Formats: sequence, structure tokens, C-alpha cells
Amino acid sequence: DAGVIQSPRHEVTEMGQEVTLRCKPISGHNSLFWYRQTMMRGLELLIYFNNNVPIDDSGMPEDRFSAKMPNASFSTLKIQPSEPRDSAVYFCASRPPGQGWRNTEAFFGQGTRLTVV
Amino acid sequence: AQSVTQPDIHITVSEGASLELRCNYSYGATPYLFWYVQSPGQGLQLLLKYFSGDTLVQGIKGFEAEFKRSQSSFNLRKPSVLWSDAAEYFCAVGARTSYDKVIFGPGTSLSVIP
Repeated sequence: DAGVIQSPRHEVTEMGQEVTLRCKPISGHNSLFWYRQTMMRGLELLIYFNNNVPIDDSGMPEDRFSAKMPNASFSTLKIQPSEPRDSAVYFCASRPPGQGWRNTEAFFGQGTRLTVV
Repeated sequence: AQSVTQPDIHITVSEGASLELRCNYSYGATPYLFWYVQSPGQGLQLLLKYFSGDTLVQGIKGFEAEFKRSQSSFNLRKPSVLWSDAAEYFCAVGARTSYDKVIFGPGTSLSVIP
């Protein structure tokens, strides 16, 4: 298996532009997570899907952020409009069916490094 | 709500030396605890996890961690560090009541001197 695939690996955009980050989870996994990593705040959970349904989006910082999972093999995280403070590394992780984190491991993608200038 | 701290932002050790990375958590009950490692430009890889039972947990790459309830700690150890162990290490805590939400600590950056 190729693992969790994120694209693009790097994104540089101007303030005010729309940014879309993409994630392809591992086949057969039914949970998907979006994390944001910054020096100041570390790894923050933004949103979590289970069976394509958003379960917990309390970590989404503002209405400018939105996430979708139209099917089991694809998810997007969109920022519109983007701001310099959104600059971070965004990770996607997926997890196979099981009893939450108890018996299963989450697998992380390599991340998308976003720079908003 | 649970939280986790890692007091050491950066640690440097010599290859072959022993290593201990500190992790303290805050949670009202016994949490789920994890250690992840992140190599440069890579995603996070699970090293080990604790849910219950034996408080000394063995992980991959020769790492182990010990859960100490009295100290609210889950320190990561390795008896002899390799140059290839240089990476960012994250401690994470999960709440048993809401097991899907796992909170990560700020991370400890490990440098290894050959």
C-alpha cells in the first residue's frame, strides 16, 4: 500500500487566495483526520471523519476553513480566503476500523507545507 | 479536557548514549498514551502506546516508555541511541471517554552527535 497520500507537498499562495489541500487515505480505512502543525501550537486536530461523516470539527479555527469527504478515498481541506497565519504543515491521517485508538494505529501522510504570503 | 506537555524542546545526545524524553499529561482518569516520531519531511510514525496493564511498554526501534500514574508521566527511553534516531518526538494523550480525540504535545527535537 502506498500509505496516506497528500497533495500538494508544498503550496505557496498569496493572502486572500483559496487553498485546497487533498488527502487520499489508505484503502479500507474508515476514519480520517486533519491536523495542523505549527511551531507555536504544535499538532492540532482540526476535524475528524468517520465513514465519510464529519464527527468532530471543533478544532477548525474559523469559518474560512472547511473540509469535505465526498467518498471513502478522498478528502479535502479548503481555506478561503487564506491568511499568512494559516502558514503551517497540514497532516492527514487515516485509521482502519476498530475500537477507536485502542486497538488501531493511525497512519499519517507526509503533510502539505502551506505558506501564505 | 486532556493536555500534554513535553518540557524539553530540544535534546542533544551522543550516539550510543542513553536517552530519556519526558512527557507529562493532565487528565482526570487513566488516559491512552502514545509516542510518535517524525523524521524530517515525513509524517508521524507510532513508536508505542499504552492503554492498560503493564506500565512498561515496549515499542519499535528499541524504544520503551513507562507510565507512572503518581507522576502523570509517560517518559520515553532508549538505552543506546543511534544516529538515525535524530527526529522530532511527540507524546500524545487520548481521553477514554472520547477516544477518538488525541491531543499531541509540542514535541521534543532530538539531535544525535556521531
